[in-house]
Order: sequence, then C-alpha cells, then structure tokens
Amino acid sequence: DAGITQSPRHKVTETGTPVTLRCHQTENHRYMYWYRQDPGHGLRLIHYSYGVKDTDKGEVSDGYSVSRSKTEDFLLTLESATSSQTSVYFCAIGTGYSNQPQHFGDGTRLSIL
Amino acid sequence: DQQVKQNSPSLSVQEGRISILNCDYTNSMFDYFLWYKKYPAEGPTFLISISSIKDKNEDGRFTVFLNKSAKHLSLHIVPSQPGDSAVYFCAASAESGTYKYIFGTGTRLKVLA
Repeated sequence: DAGITQSPRHKVTETGTPVTLRCHQTENHRYMYWYRQDPGHGLRLIHYSYGVKDTDKGEVSDGYSVSRSKTEDFLLTLESATSSQTSVYFCAIGTGYSNQPQHFGDGTRLSIL
Repeated sequence: DQQVKQNSPSLSVQEGRISILNCDYTNSMFDYFLWYKKYPAEGPTFLISISSIKDKNEDGRFTVFLNKSAKHLSLHIVPSQPGDSAVYFCAASAESGTYKYIFGTGTRLKVLA
C-alpha cells in the first residue's frame, strides 16, 4: 500500500464549526489531492497541491481551503461546516505524470449535523 | 456537464462469466484513462490504465478497451469472481499540465456465486 494516512477516519460535528482533515504521505510525492465522494457524483476534486505552498482549486472548491507547509502533509479545512459538506473525503498522492496513477488513502467519513 | 459518464449504476454477473463495465467521455483532449476499484470503507485502488495511443491493455483477468472515435472505454473482467464485487470508477486525464483526473459516477458490480 502507498504510504498515505488520513486522520481522523470518522468525525461528527455541528454546522458552523471549523473542521480540519489531515493527509500524511511517506512517498515524497510532489502532488497531493483532496476529493469528496457523494452518491450519484463519484469522486470530485476539491483542491490539489503541486508542491509545498503551491495549491490550486478543483471543481468543487467553494467552502474549502487547503494548506501544504511540508511535502508530506496536506490539510483540508472547512472554515464553517455546512450540512452539504457531509461526505467521505479522500486524499490522493501522485508523481505528477498523467500516465502514472494516483494512489488514495482510506478516507475520512465526515458528518455535519 | 459531466465529462466522464458511467451510465450503469449497477451490474450483476454470475461467477465465472464475463463482466463488462462501460464508460463514455466527451472531452477529446483526454489522453489517459484509468479504472479504479473500491471496496466499502476503503479508498479506491488502481486497477488498470490505457493511453490514448492504444486501443487495448490487458492485465491478467482485466482488459480495458478504448474506442476513441466513439469516446468510449470498457473494462472486461474474465472470469468474474465474487471478490470482484465492488464499485468501479473510470477516470480520465488530459496532458494539460494540471495532472487532474475526472471521475465517472461509478458502477457497482455484484458477482453472484
């Protein structure tokens, strides 16, 4: 298994509270990604990073921010969680070559009440 | 507008028979295609890929076919096994420098013993 750890694995929180999800890799890959998985939508890219302090938006970035201060860590923050952000969040890592597959962590199940 | 579509949300196949999962795309700039398999409570795992310069790629029981003129790819699993029961996502990537994948909505395969 690719060395990707997501934490926490499960979280329940209330609307309006801030939430931070962490992704940690031991592969020294340049690229890191945050996706959310929802029924009927598959996996959708939220944000991605192409290096330390280098990030960019994906297709569903509204309401989310990210930070990458070290190669191995990529944080996803919901500044003020809403019920529509209830989802399963996956982190992925990649070399940056489009012909090499991204590898995924096991996900964080986030419920916002 | 969904650029990668999996029109069959579910598929049931008898053990030992062939499973065929389909995926259609709209963006002619996609040049690399992948299939991921996902078990419950786990992250997606890479299964097989194909470059747009090929029309077939085979790996053991898994074969991916690409028809560029029809903008269609398919995954064949022969013979199907109960352990193949999972959700399968197709994904596409373009050599655009962003190294982002666009995923389909997934097809749930159930292999009946």
